[in-house]
Amino acid sequence: QSVLTQPPSASGTPGQRVTISCSGSNSNIGRNYVYWYQQLPGTAPKLLIYSDNKRPSGVPDRFSGSKSGTSASLAISGLRSEDEADYYCAAWDDSLSAWVFGGGTKLTVL
Amino acid sequence: QVQLQESGPGLVRPSQTLSLTCTVSGGSISSGSYFWTWIRQPAGKGLEWIGRIYTSGSTNYNPSLKSRVAVSLDTSKNQFSLRLTSVTAADTAVYYCTREPLDVWGQGTTVTVSS
Repeated sequence: QSVLTQPPSASGTPGQRVTISCSGSNSNIGRNYVYWYQQLPGTAPKLLIYSDNKRPSGVPDRFSGSKSGTSASLAISGLRSEDEADYYCAAWDDSLSAWVFGGGTKLTVL
Repeated sequence: QVQLQESGPGLVRPSQTLSLTCTVSGGSISSGSYFWTWIRQPAGKGLEWIGRIYTSGSTNYNPSLKSRVAVSLDTSKNQFSLRLTSVTAADTAVYYCTREPLDVWGQGTTVTVSS
């Protein structure tokens, strides 16, 4: 049971916009930044979004992050086949003094 | 650009100690204000944070693993290490070393706990 809650799966067709949610609590998302990661099969996670809504250099602006209260979202616009991957949210939890992750969302591009 | 590389045994016997090292290249492990972190991922499952060490040497551990885990720093070798004692099959996973804010990751190393 993950501390942050994500839907196990999401899907869309090429060109569509898809949103993945991440729900937490006041001790994590409510007080600290949210990070989003993309993990392609057999590879290490790659940072997509940091500090709730900032993109590292090299990450396309098709990827965007937002946060409201104790929930956050990752939006992917102009969906492409190469976006098919697992996506994870993460945040520091003040009560646990630990990083916590969502269980991951498997994105399928139909 | 900082790069991380995990190394260590791929097979550990049950009840023994798992030891992994992360070598940092492209920058000094003691420069800047960074936490150096270990994360693991069992096959087909999600990510689990194990623990971290600051450049000063202070540490934080996952409460569920705290009694068995230790992270240490070797600035002379530009490395940090993980020790996990009394391992069981549940500790079988891909282990990643990372730098906070989890922006730089090693490629991961698979550790199997089996007799």
